[in-house]
Amino acid sequence: GAGVSQTPSNKVTEKGKYVELRCDPISGHTALYWYRQSLGQGPEFLIYFQGTGAADDSGLPNDRFFAVRPEGSVSTLKIQRTERGDSAVYLCASSLTSPSGQGFDEQFFGPGTRLTVL
Amino acid sequence: GESVGLHLPTLSVQEGDNSIINCAYSNSASDYFIWYKQESGKGPQFIIDIRSNMDKRQGQRVTVLLNKTVKHLSLQIAATQPGDSAVYFCAERSSYKLIFGSGTRLLVRP
Repeated sequence: GAGVSQTPSNKVTEKGKYVELRCDPISGHTALYWYRQSLGQGPEFLIYFQGTGAADDSGLPNDRFFAVRPEGSVSTLKIQRTERGDSAVYLCASSLTSPSGQGFDEQFFGPGTRLTVL
Repeated sequence: GESVGLHLPTLSVQEGDNSIINCAYSNSASDYFIWYKQESGKGPQFIIDIRSNMDKRQGQRVTVLLNKTVKHLSLQIAATQPGDSAVYFCAERSSYKLIFGSGTRLLVRP
């Protein structure tokens, strides 16, 4: 079946502009995660959705970052007034259920959106 | 595709040899530890996980060892193949978050 898809694959924008990054999770997966990966680093957690609600947004770096998942499936990560330091690969992952500690609920990652802020 | 680790530690092995990749973790409360493989331009791909109450788990050609005393995790790949060339990350699960460690680039020499 189809995996997690993310669009666009690459996004180049100018400093100060607004961008939206889209994630289509695996069908039926209720949990969705956004991570950010800077060059040479491991992914860093940004936000976690269970269904339509953001269960934990503690990883969002500041209030320029916002994410939604209005119907519990597709999610959009929105970045306002982009800065050069926002340049990174933004990864989305989904998992079947809400991890409850009863077994490991594997997170399946998409290919990422590479954001470049000039 | 983008290179995910320009300045990462690199392990170079001969095709057919065994590879051992090491990782230190920080949170004693983490309940699962996971190894991911990431190829250039792709997202991380799950390899194997181990629960915190175990010290060893085997998969197909891979073995993960967990030493909670020194907070150390290792991934052993048997009979390394060219397709194993990638960046490898360890991660620990704290609640639902994955906390990734720094990666290691594995290069397989033909």
